[in-house]
Amino acid sequence: SQQGEEDPQALSIQEGENATMNCSYKTSINNLQWYRQNSGRGLVHLILIRSNEREKHSGRLRVTLDTSKKSSSLLITASRAADTASYFCATNSKLTFGKGITLSVRP
Amino acid sequence: DVKVTQSSRYLVKRTGEKVFLECVQDMDHENMFWYRQDPGLGLRLIYFSYDVKMKEKGDIPEGYSVSREKKERFSLILESASTNQTSMYLCASTTPGGAHYGYTFGSGTRLTVV
Repeated sequence: SQQGEEDPQALSIQEGENATMNCSYKTSINNLQWYRQNSGRGLVHLILIRSNEREKHSGRLRVTLDTSKKSSSLLITASRAADTASYFCATNSKLTFGKGITLSVRP
Repeated sequence: DVKVTQSSRYLVKRTGEKVFLECVQDMDHENMFWYRQDPGLGLRLIYFSYDVKMKEKGDIPEGYSVSREKKERFSLILESASTNQTSMYLCASTTPGGAHYGYTFGSGTRLTVV
């Protein structure tokens, strides 16, 4: 059963712009994680936010978590062409994934 | 650099064959997972293991089995491959507290059953 649902399904932006991706989930969580997948490759862990945290930063990444709305957002600032990838949110210890967001960053 | 290694990047097998997908991690992780990824369906959990010789079914275990004889190796077995098992297979591992530190994925095996 899928827990995380990402939104939008696809996003196309210009290099230098910010990209915001959203994730909603259904049941209570211990943490929420974001992953990136380059075409045809495995997933790479980006950032984890615990249920008692509201915001977390890592380089150009900013993640927020609103447990009352059961939602999270991933913000990538000053996007680069190399950020072009699929992004997934996942929850809890068995890592239930959403279907992912395809981000295209145009040079 | 920590690694999860999947034995094959691409694999082509015939319907009815018994297929072994191997995954090896060098991080001394207790927990290992097998997912399949299909367009429009995202990642779906097939099986996972929290310890040697231990296995648990995920969301879509039908047609698959697993083996964990050693801590570092987690094998996915397609007992009799079918065309609907054509997919990208991803292995992942983590520590027991790994829900707090993230998972490490292999590069994936793209299996085609003809």
